[in-house]
Amino acid sequence: GAGVSQSPRYKVAKRGQDVALRCDPISGHVSLFWYQQALGQGPEFLTYFQNEAQLDKSGLPSDRFFAERPEGSVSTLKIQRTQQEDSAVYLCASSLLGGGETQYFGPGTRLLVL
Amino acid sequence: KQEVTQIPAALSVPEGENLVLNCSFTDSAIYNLQWFRQDPGKGLTSLLLIQSSQREQTSGRLNASLDKSSGRSTLYIAASQPGDSATYLCAVVTTDSWGKLQFGAGTQVVVTP
Repeated sequence: GAGVSQSPRYKVAKRGQDVALRCDPISGHVSLFWYQQALGQGPEFLTYFQNEAQLDKSGLPSDRFFAERPEGSVSTLKIQRTQQEDSAVYLCASSLLGGGETQYFGPGTRLLVL
Repeated sequence: KQEVTQIPAALSVPEGENLVLNCSFTDSAIYNLQWFRQDPGKGLTSLLLIQSSQREQTSGRLNASLDKSSGRSTLYIAASQPGDSATYLCAVVTTDSWGKLQFGAGTQVVVTP
């Protein structure tokens, strides 16, 4: 069966550009998480959706970061006016229900801001 | 605030030796602890999930223990193989969260033939 997919896999942006990162979770999974992973570090939580509801966005670094999941399946993470410190791997994960179940991760999107 | 620490940051062993990876956390109010494997340029693969009420979990050559009161977990990999070379990450879910994972920085493992 298909796992979690993310696109694009790599993105190079000039500072100040807007970017949109897509996540396709496993079909039927209720919960969806976004994480940011800097080089040599563990992933850091960004935001959490249960179906279409964004229940926790406490990890979003600034108001330039925005995430949505309008129909409760595909999610998009948007970063406006990108800055060099936004360079990282952005990981998406989904779980069947949530609340601490096993999370299944996508391959990530590697973002480089020049 | 929960802090998750993994020591050592890197480890190199000859093939056939057992691997011992350590994870510590500061807040014992956890829902579960999970161990992941990450290969270069790839996402994370879940290895084991231990509920807070459990003491250990086993899967094949992998065994993970959990001592919630002391804030520690250990991942044992028996009879290591070159294919075990990867970065291993532990992560906890605290009881006051929606299931978000809080990760350590990982241990990079190299198994030499």
